[in-house]
Amino acid sequence: DAMVIQNPRYQVTQFGKPVTLSCSQTLNHNVMYWYQQKSSQAPKLLFHYYDKDFNNEADTPDNFQSRRPNTSFCFLDIRSPGLGDAAMYLCATSRDRTSHEQYFGPGTRLTVT
Amino acid sequence: DAKTTQPPSMDCAEGRAANLPCNHSTISGNEYVYWYRQIHSQGPQYIIHGLKNNETNEMASLIITEDRKSSTLILPHATLRDTAVYYCIVRVGANFGNEKLTFGTGTRLTIIP
Repeated sequence: DAMVIQNPRYQVTQFGKPVTLSCSQTLNHNVMYWYQQKSSQAPKLLFHYYDKDFNNEADTPDNFQSRRPNTSFCFLDIRSPGLGDAAMYLCATSRDRTSHEQYFGPGTRLTVT
Repeated sequence: DAKTTQPPSMDCAEGRAANLPCNHSTISGNEYVYWYRQIHSQGPQYIIHGLKNNETNEMASLIITEDRKSSTLILPHATLRDTAVYYCIVRVGANFGNEKLTFGTGTRLTIIP
């Protein structure tokens, strides 16, 4: 029944070693989002895709990139993770731009050693 | 998007109604009030939203004051599973083409057995 799936749930990477987090959805939603949530903080939007159109938040570091090869999948790439990138990364979807509700996945907790 | 102010924490006895306040005194006419919650180690979950009128669904009720400067989320019969951080978010409605959710600090609600 899972609608927004994130794999893996826990990821450990080394300082500077590229890492990719994945998100898939069974809802056939047009919009997919990536949020970063650091410990004891609120989620913060990094970027989103409306269909294939990529929308980057102004303060998202260049170290973070994303790919959406098809409707169902979206990837978050961190090119050179630093210790400050340790966080929960949340994927969310919404049906389209007129939808009020966003559906979140369970998140991937990234540890940088 | 208008800024919101919520108490950092609240307690509520199990079985009682939990009333979570939110101030949004700078809200503008086309901005909606949204509520999400985040149970520990899970992704946020949509609860309810409203523009001017009070709203009710299977999860909660949303009461918006006539001047729209504040609102209250009501969980009618709180259970232990309602323990979570509750976020009140104000933003231009999705039908205006703004998909972004800006999370504030939220209220940590603890349900006491």
